[in-house]
Amino acid sequence: QQPVQSPQAVILREGEDAVINCSSSKALYSVHWYRQKHGEAPVFLMILLKGGEQKGHEKISASFNEKKQQSSLYLTASQLSYSGTYFCGTEGAGGTSYGKLTFGQGTILTVHP
Amino acid sequence: DGGITQSPKYLFRKEGQNVTLSCEQNLNHDAMYWYRQDPGQGLRLIYYSQIVNDFQKGDIAEGYSVSREKKESFPLTVTSAQKNPTAFYLCASSIDRGLAGDRDTDTQYFGPGTRLTVL
Repeated sequence: QQPVQSPQAVILREGEDAVINCSSSKALYSVHWYRQKHGEAPVFLMILLKGGEQKGHEKISASFNEKKQQSSLYLTASQLSYSGTYFCGTEGAGGTSYGKLTFGQGTILTVHP
Repeated sequence: DGGITQSPKYLFRKEGQNVTLSCEQNLNHDAMYWYRQDPGQGLRLIYYSQIVNDFQKGDIAEGYSVSREKKESFPLTVTSAQKNPTAFYLCASSIDRGLAGDRDTDTQYFGPGTRLTVL
């Protein structure tokens, strides 16, 4: 089952904040966040493991609530370079899901000057 | 420089033809993956391989085939049985979780992609 991302699109001005959510209907082992520029490969941002760990990467951080099977990506003081499509990839907790990521449909983030 | 390379960058295919997309990595990663991305969509897993000479079907394997004869290489063949092959194809690799003590090394790193168009 594909995780559901919300919102589908966000438009910001430089310096504004945004939150992107990723929800799954199944038990998760990990959540991976990527950013993709048009026509390019996805670039890894961070991985969150089962345990509700929150991680940070410059002005981008994320949390993982394993009880709710949800992860949120927080972008603060956005920059023009943050524009792109953000994907969450989820890894199920079951043995058959080992190493396999299922990606959400993506959230398009546009940052204007 | 370590990384993942895919070739060609653009590929045009006539209906009824098989084509093979190349994916090579020199990261010494054990696991390799193939994804398909359609416009405005997320990535869907076609095939993956966690070790040489072994591979597993992903969610949309029909019409595709792979081989894993070498650790560094994981070519994908799009066969004539794939009815709608026009898409952006991405290859990725990662360290196999069972071999790595640090879970953070499960990260999947992507190649630059191949854009396939059926004429």
